[in-house]
Amino acid sequence: QKEVEQDPGPLSVPEGAIVSLNCTYSNSAFQYFMWYRQYSRKGPELLMYTYSSGNKEDGRFTAQVDKSSKYISLFIRDSQPSDSATYLCASQDTGGFKTIFGAGTRLFVKA
Amino acid sequence: NAGVTQTPKFQVLKTGQSMTLQCAQDMNHEYMSWYRQDPGMGLRLIHYSVGAGITDQGEVPNGYNVSRSTTEDFPLRLLSAAPSQTSVYFCASRGGRGNTIYFGEGSWLTVV
Repeated sequence: QKEVEQDPGPLSVPEGAIVSLNCTYSNSAFQYFMWYRQYSRKGPELLMYTYSSGNKEDGRFTAQVDKSSKYISLFIRDSQPSDSATYLCASQDTGGFKTIFGAGTRLFVKA
Repeated sequence: NAGVTQTPKFQVLKTGQSMTLQCAQDMNHEYMSWYRQDPGMGLRLIHYSVGAGITDQGEVPNGYNVSRSTTEDFPLRLLSAAPSQTSVYFCASRGGRGNTIYFGEGSWLTVV
């Protein structure tokens, strides 16, 4: 079992929809949680990060971590065709030596 | 704003050949790493380094070697290429606010 599990999709939604992307993790030592966005044939870029439990909002994006259930979520409001990409969740322990990524969810937003 | 630069972008190798993927960063980050990305598997850590002269293994180190002689450079060597090493390889460095990981543009490697 991978330490970070993520449904690879693909997920297809109409423009303007609310998108929910989710991951689960198994290592209780993980304290940092990140979401990366990867466009086709490009390297991943950091979208958001959170430390421990709670919510973090940045524009149309909200990251949520529930450490009691080991669940990580990313919500995208008013989704746009430019949001079409692969979204990868990642977790990192306090020591920070290893960052473990999920498989990535491919998102398509149709105009 | 070079960030993380890796070369080559595309490479085709024959089984048994060796090669080195080059990686350089200009952000003065101590931590650098190499990942491979395969369909359905996500990014898997191959090797990482916490500073010059210090390297360690990640999840999938077999068949790969690394060294870190300077802060800037972190090359990845394939000792004897195998078809199972066909993948996209990303070099990354980490630092700054939130320990952000910065990725290179990727190297597409095919082993035939």
